[in-house]
Amino acid sequence: SQQGEEDPQALSIQEGENATMNCSYKTSINNLQWYRQNSGRGLVHLILIRSNEREKHSGRLRVTLDTSKKSSSLLITASRAADTASYFCATDAMDSNYQLIWGAGTKLIIKP
Amino acid sequence: EAEVAQSPRYKITEKSQAVAFWCDPISGHATLYWYRQILGQGPELLVQFQDESVVDDSQLPKDRFSAERLKGVDSTLKIQPAELGDSAMYLCASSLAGNRNEQFFGPGTRLTVL
Repeated sequence: SQQGEEDPQALSIQEGENATMNCSYKTSINNLQWYRQNSGRGLVHLILIRSNEREKHSGRLRVTLDTSKKSSSLLITASRAADTASYFCATDAMDSNYQLIWGAGTKLIIKP
Repeated sequence: EAEVAQSPRYKITEKSQAVAFWCDPISGHATLYWYRQILGQGPELLVQFQDESVVDDSQLPKDRFSAERLKGVDSTLKIQPAELGDSAMYLCASSLAGNRNEQFFGPGTRLTVL
């Protein structure tokens, strides 16, 4: 079953621009995580935001969580070529035995 | 930096053959996960172990798939017999304790069934 849905499915921007990806989910969660996947390093954890948090920062990453709208956004500022990857949100849903459920991902391409 | 190890990295097999994948999690990580990822989709959990016990295998096709983590450390995922639809990336991940923490992923095994 798919809990998270990322939007857009694909995003292409110029290097230096900001990239925003969104994730919507269906049921109440304990936390939401963002991961990055590229061919070189596989899936890598980026950031975890708990249901009682609204915003979290990590370097050039900013994640927001709106539990009333069941949505999250990932903002990457000052994008670099190395940010080219697929980005996935994964939710720890309360009604799924705490199984981590993943969306289909947003494919981000940074053009030089 | 500690990493999750997986082998083989690539596997090509013919349908009806048996295949096995191996995973060695980060030392000290009690929770181990096997995922299947089809191209263009997110990972789908196949089985989750807490130490040597299966916590969740509701999505594991048990007629052909099996997984074990006998000593609560490394794990093996087996498919017998393989079918064309099993072609996918098989990912192993580990975490300190359950889903409340970040998961660390191995490089995956790319399976192609001919």
